[in-house]
Amino acid sequence: QKEVEQDPGPLSVPEGAIVSLNCTYSNSAFQYFMWYRQYSRKGPELLMYTYSSGNKEDGRFTAQVDKSSKYISLFIRDSQPSDSATYLCAMTSYNQGGKLIFGQGTELSVKP
Amino acid sequence: ETGVTQSPTHLIKTRGQQVTLRCSSQSGHNTVSWYQQALGQGPQFIFQYYREEENGRGNFPPRFSGLQFPNYSSELNVNALELDDSALYLCASSIDRGGNEKLFFGSGTQLSVL
Repeated sequence: QKEVEQDPGPLSVPEGAIVSLNCTYSNSAFQYFMWYRQYSRKGPELLMYTYSSGNKEDGRFTAQVDKSSKYISLFIRDSQPSDSATYLCAMTSYNQGGKLIFGQGTELSVKP
Repeated sequence: ETGVTQSPTHLIKTRGQQVTLRCSSQSGHNTVSWYQQALGQGPQFIFQYYREEENGRGNFPPRFSGLQFPNYSSELNVNALELDDSALYLCASSIDRGGNEKLFFGSGTQLSVL
């Protein structure tokens, strides 16, 4: 079993839809949770960064962390064609020497 | 402020050869981490360098080695290349090594081993 599980998709939605992306994990020591967006042939771009449980909102993006269920989510409101990319969840615990554990990534396509 | 830059962008090697990939960290960042991303997979941690020393290593064999220079730039060296080494190699920099710092990635080097 992988430490971090993420449905690879692909996920296709119409423009304006609300998108829900999710990851589950098995290591209860994880404290820092991130979502990265990766366009084709590019490096991952940090979208959201949260510590421990709770919600964080940034514009059209909302990240949720439920440590009791070992489940994290990213919601995208009013999705745009420019949101079409692969979304990677990542997590780590303190003092792990830069070692992020990534999910497989979910490929999202937003159709005009 | 410049971001993380990597060179070359693409590279083709044959099995058994050696390769060196280069990374310049973002301005103000003293820590560099390297990741390998196979097609359709998430990045996997190779190692991290802080103040020119290795500060953590993932599950990669010793033929993967690295260096960090006084200006915080870094190299990833891979010896005795295997076909499975074909991947996107990503460099990420962070402002420190504590473990909760945000990592910022470069665009990567696409390595193909034939």
